[in-house]
Amino acid sequence: NAGVTQTPKFQVLKTGQSMTLQCAQDMNHNSMYWYRQDPGMGLRLIYYSASEGTTDKGEVPNGYNVSRLNKREFSLRLESAAPSQTSVYFCASSVTGINQPQHFGDGTRLSIL
Amino acid sequence: GENVEQHPSTLSVQEGDSAVIKCTYSDSASNYFPWYKQELGKRPQLIIDIRSNVGEKKDQRIAVTLNKTAKHFSLHITETQPEDSAVYFCAAWGGSNYKLTFGKGTLLTVNP
Repeated sequence: NAGVTQTPKFQVLKTGQSMTLQCAQDMNHNSMYWYRQDPGMGLRLIYYSASEGTTDKGEVPNGYNVSRLNKREFSLRLESAAPSQTSVYFCASSVTGINQPQHFGDGTRLSIL
Repeated sequence: GENVEQHPSTLSVQEGDSAVIKCTYSDSASNYFPWYKQELGKRPQLIIDIRSNVGEKKDQRIAVTLNKTAKHFSLHITETQPEDSAVYFCAAWGGSNYKLTFGKGTLLTVNP
């Protein structure tokens, strides 16, 4: 099992460009999440999907959109990238959203110039 | 919403010593508390978790304790080894939302 797979692993964008980060899990999990990790800030939730067909905002949703394409895939889109969105982005999944451990992908390192 | 405070932010110990990392949370409804280890450039990985109906849980050299009255929980690593060096994150889940709130992390350095 691959677990949670994120693509791409690295990306450099110019301010104003758009981009979609891809995430797929093969564990038949119902819930999926997008986090960003910045130095000294821990992991902050951007958006989550409790189950297929639902999405909700997390702590820092501004500037992002998400799509739960099916049970396996959950994508994160930056419509007009800004330097403040330079970060490491992690996708995670869990069996359900209630009291369950989350399993993380390897992350996408995104730089916006 | 939930707020998780984690201390210390950095911790340096000698190989073989014990390390303790402490976290407090604000939402009394929180009932699930995982701990993650993140090595440099890698993904966070779950190392141990505890639910609110349990006061302590052990897994070899790692243990977690939970005090629901005081709203704090701690990670204990005994007989530390250089490979324990990493950033450790605590987290708390609770309430009616689907959010796991993370602490800001502790950089543990184990010196040989």
